[in-house]
Amino acid sequence: RKEVEQDPGPFNVPEGATVAFNCTYSNSASQSFFWYRQDCRKEPKLLMSVYSSGNEDGRFTAQLNRASQYISLLIRDSKLSDSATYLCVVNIFSGGYNKLIFGAGTRLAVHP
Amino acid sequence: DAGVTQSPTHLIKTRGQQVTLRCSPKSGHDTVSWYQQALGQGPQFIFQYYEEEERQRGNFPDRFSGHQFPNYSSELNVNALLLGDSALYLCASSMDTPKTYEQYFGPGTRLTVT
Repeated sequence: RKEVEQDPGPFNVPEGATVAFNCTYSNSASQSFFWYRQDCRKEPKLLMSVYSSGNEDGRFTAQLNRASQYISLLIRDSKLSDSATYLCVVNIFSGGYNKLIFGAGTRLAVHP
Repeated sequence: DAGVTQSPTHLIKTRGQQVTLRCSPKSGHDTVSWYQQALGQGPQFIFQYYEEEERQRGNFPDRFSGHQFPNYSSELNVNALLLGDSALYLCASSMDTPKTYEQYFGPGTRLTVT
């Protein structure tokens, strides 16, 4: 079983749609959680951190459920520019060091 | 303020050859992590360097080795290249623990092994 699992998609949605991505993680030692965005043939860039209380950044809302080991990302009012791969990332602190574990990513394609 | 830089951008090598990839961290960062990203996959952790020492390693064979220099820049070396080593190699820099999870990625080096 992969440490971080995501639905690979692709999710094909029209502009203005609301889309939700889910992610599960298996290591209960995971301490912090993130969503990264990766455009085609580019490097990953941090989109937002994810907190148990839920957090929102404009059209983006992230949620964490530690009991279920589940992370979500909601994008409202999708724009063409949201088309990208969204990577779910967990940070595991072990042996005194942090290590990031990435999911395989979920592809989003927003069409006119 | 320069971000993370990597060189070269692209590289084509033949099976069995050796390759060296380079990374300069973001200003103020002293920790460098390397990742391999195969097509359609997320980045996979290779190893992390701090104070010129490898202090964490992922599930990669000894063919993968690295180095960090006193100016915090780093190299990734891969020996005896296999076709399966074809991937995007990403370098990420951060400050030391406890902030090593705040990683900034370079644009990557795309390695093709033929």
